[in-house]
Amino acid sequence: EPEVTQTPSHQVTQMGQEVILRCVPISNHLYFYWYRQILGQKVEFLVSFYNNEISEKSEIFDDQFSVERPDGSNFTLKIRSTKLEDSAMYFCASRDRGHSPLHFGNGTRLTVT
Amino acid sequence: EDQVTQSPEALRLQEGESSSLNCSYTVSGLRGLFWYRQDPGKGPEFLFTLYSAGEEKEKERLKATLTKKESFLHITAPKPEDSATYLCAAPNAGGTSYGKLTFGQGTILTVHP
Repeated sequence: EPEVTQTPSHQVTQMGQEVILRCVPISNHLYFYWYRQILGQKVEFLVSFYNNEISEKSEIFDDQFSVERPDGSNFTLKIRSTKLEDSAMYFCASRDRGHSPLHFGNGTRLTVT
Repeated sequence: EDQVTQSPEALRLQEGESSSLNCSYTVSGLRGLFWYRQDPGKGPEFLFTLYSAGEEKEKERLKATLTKKESFLHITAPKPEDSATYLCAAPNAGGTSYGKLTFGQGTILTVHP
């Protein structure tokens, strides 16, 4: 069964450093998302991406965050200058057209020290 | 504001002891209600989508139902491998992106042999 894959599974970085989280969505999906889950808290929406542009973003997704689909298969989330509070599990998700459900990857655990 | 609330926070069952998990929502113009399963350190795994009150979906020992205000996930004769966190989520009202979901905090289910 097709799946969303994310790399790396765990990333440790120092405060102020840039990180790039990578995702390969399911190949025929059209809509792409990033969510995050801080330990012990709810899964929360960050950004949606369709037709090579951001379609919606949350208040969390400030100027320090950016997303890109550099080619036909990868989808990336960049955090320019990480803060301690960015430590979380970051999930990539994708879905097909219409009211199809989101399919999530297994996440990247980001630890900012 | 869209809200999704799950209860109980945690549920311990003996193998074979059936029970139900609850998800109540305040989302105007509900466009779907999703159930996901999340294992520790993994991403949410899609289980069901429900679209209208009265709808039911089944998969193995799980059955999801939907009313106008809440959804239930019924677990019949659970096994230890059903132990996981069960999440419900709904697309935000008025959001341009169908995949912008509001998640509940989840119910941690533990099934003892």
